[in-house]
Amino acid sequence: NAGVTQTPKFRILKIGQSMTLQCAQDMNHNYMYWYRQDPGMGLKLIYYSVGAGITDKGEVPNGYNVSRSTTEDFPLRLELAAPSQTSVYFCASRSSSSGGANEQFFGPGTRLTVL
Amino acid sequence: GENVEQHPSTLSVQEGDSAVIKCTYSDSASNYFPWYKQELGKRPQLIIDIRSNVGEKKDQRIAVTLNKTAKHFSLHITETQPEDSAVYFCAAMNYGGSQGNLIFGKGTKLSVKP
Repeated sequence: NAGVTQTPKFRILKIGQSMTLQCAQDMNHNYMYWYRQDPGMGLKLIYYSVGAGITDKGEVPNGYNVSRSTTEDFPLRLELAAPSQTSVYFCASRSSSSGGANEQFFGPGTRLTVL
Repeated sequence: GENVEQHPSTLSVQEGDSAVIKCTYSDSASNYFPWYKQELGKRPQLIIDIRSNVGEKKDQRIAVTLNKTAKHFSLHITETQPEDSAVYFCAAMNYGGSQGNLIFGKGTKLSVKP
């Protein structure tokens, strides 16, 4: 299994540009998450999904959008990029099985700079 | 909603000493408490976790203790080594709740000096 994968690894955007951060997992996990991590800070939840077709806002959703058309993919869309969105973005997933492990697996991250 | 406080924010120890990181949580419904280690430039990785029906769990040099009454849990690392240097995050979740989202502490930067 590849686990949780993210593309791109790095990206520089100009203010006002848009982009989509890709996330995919091959573990058949129902739950998927997007976090941002600012330098020296913890992880803040942007959006999450409990299954295909279902998404909901986290702690810091403004300026972002998500979709979940399949179990595997959970892209994060940035519209009108702003310098405040400069951060490292992590995608994560976990199983919803009540009898299984609770572990949340993280992708390698996307380092985004908005200039 | 849940709030997780983590202390200290930085911790420096000598190689071979023990390190303890403490977290408190606010939601008594939380029942799952993982600890993640994040090395510089890398993704967070689970190192140990504990469920609310257990008071202590140990895995080689690391252990986690949970006090449900006081709503706090701690990470203990014994015989620290330079490769233990990293940022450690605690988290809490109501597994089985309507959302089941992890709420993270702000992290502790552990430095182990040779």
